[in-house]
Amino acid sequence: DIVMTQSPDSLAVSLGERATINCKSSQSVLYTSNNKNHLAWYQQRSGQPPKLLIYWASTRESGVPDRFSGSGSGTDFTLTISSLQAEDVAVYFCQQYLTTPRTFGQGTKLEIK
Amino acid sequence: EVQVVESGGGLVQPGGSLRLSCAASEFTFSNHWMSWVRQAPGKGLEWVAHINQDGSEKYHVDSVKGRFTISRDNAKNSLYLQMNSLRAEDTAVYYCARDPHRGGDLDFWGPGTLVTVSS
Repeated sequence: DIVMTQSPDSLAVSLGERATINCKSSQSVLYTSNNKNHLAWYQQRSGQPPKLLIYWASTRESGVPDRFSGSGSGTDFTLTISSLQAEDVAVYFCQQYLTTPRTFGQGTKLEIK
Repeated sequence: EVQVVESGGGLVQPGGSLRLSCAASEFTFSNHWMSWVRQAPGKGLEWVAHINQDGSEKYHVDSVKGRFTISRDNAKNSLYLQMNSLRAEDTAVYYCARDPHRGGDLDFWGPGTLVTVSS
């Protein structure tokens, strides 16, 4: 199974500042047949189901604000929130969907400083 | 608007059984892989199982193999999870989620249904 490890476990950022969350996979999630990284990012606000933010490591889901961006390839990925808003307080998860079982990172809790 | 809504959760004793359902609406259910993902109280997300469009391919995480079975009824736009031999560690909110058919990410999630395994 591919193990997904996020860092940090928690993060406090001031409003308007940049937030960066990292995700590392135990093996590459780049699918050579389509040259796409099978990596997604989800946001889960308190008491809510997860919400898809990013797929293919860097493609923003429809309706997601452009302050959210994803980058990386192979085994190392980053979710960046360029200017933190109050509504971004949540837990963020990465997920690989290259192999079964699909696996998630342990989550990163993002708070306002 | 695309919707998936889970039902069937509740309190069950260890060793007992429960069947979860997920009702889908406002999309062509039979065109999509569907998944179950669970979240133990205060913990992270764990993918449980998924099933292809016609139900001929099913995959389950090792921790539930032989105990849980995913299935679907396209005529009823419904997804199911039959859970047998339940254990305390199966206690979680169970989410139904849609695969948008572009690789395996999950674009719509239900509100979840809570399963509590306790005596």
